[in-house]
Amino acid sequence: QVQLVQSGAEVKKPGASVKVSCKASGYTFTHYYMHWVRQAPGQGLEWMGWINPSSGGTNYAQKFQDRVTMTRDTSITTAYMEVSRLTSDDTAVYYCARGTIGLPDNHWGQGTLVTVSS
Amino acid sequence: QSVLTQPPSASGTPGQRVTISCSGSNSNIGSETVNWYKNLPGTAPKLLLYNNDQRPSGVPDRFSGSKSGTSASLAISGLQSEDEADYYCAAWDASLNGPVFGGGTKLTVL
Repeated sequence: QVQLVQSGAEVKKPGASVKVSCKASGYTFTHYYMHWVRQAPGQGLEWMGWINPSSGGTNYAQKFQDRVTMTRDTSITTAYMEVSRLTSDDTAVYYCARGTIGLPDNHWGQGTLVTVSS
Repeated sequence: QSVLTQPPSASGTPGQRVTISCSGSNSNIGSETVNWYKNLPGTAPKLLLYNNDQRPSGVPDRFSGSKSGTSASLAISGLQSEDEADYYCAAWDASLNGPVFGGGTKLTVL
């Protein structure tokens, strides 16, 4: 069965960076895009970008263009997302989600809570 | 504010039929297909409908979707207590070159 297992919760200080991992199993990793979506406390879903695990190509939401880096390691079927220059507004649950080039499908990670606090 | 507009809340009694709307523009809903996701607090979103009206395996046929022009709708018939959740629409936006989500609708089963 398809599984996406994310790394554990993080607490970071403002200005720091965080890197979240997403280990995929149960399907061919390079056949699907990996989206990253976040949800701030009490807020809605916000798309951050995707990576094409086959080519390594990325597409970031304009809002995150200069602060987000998505990478992957096909040898261990793991995708990564790094956010730099964190502020309190980045406190959120971050999800990885398998999908097409367009939208996430029915397979999401369990979420990783990132708390930014001084 | 979200690119796709949803009502912040909706409600119904058990057994009733409720609909949730999602309004967009020509660059998203008007030219692309819509997905709907169900989100319970503390859990990852679950795909409810894809390609406007297709149900993934395991989603009951009480859930249906439609699209007309730049708007889409999710209908839930035979409302049940376990349907109480947040519902989000999403579509690719050609102008933004990425998917956009609605702000979410909190469904309460009275």
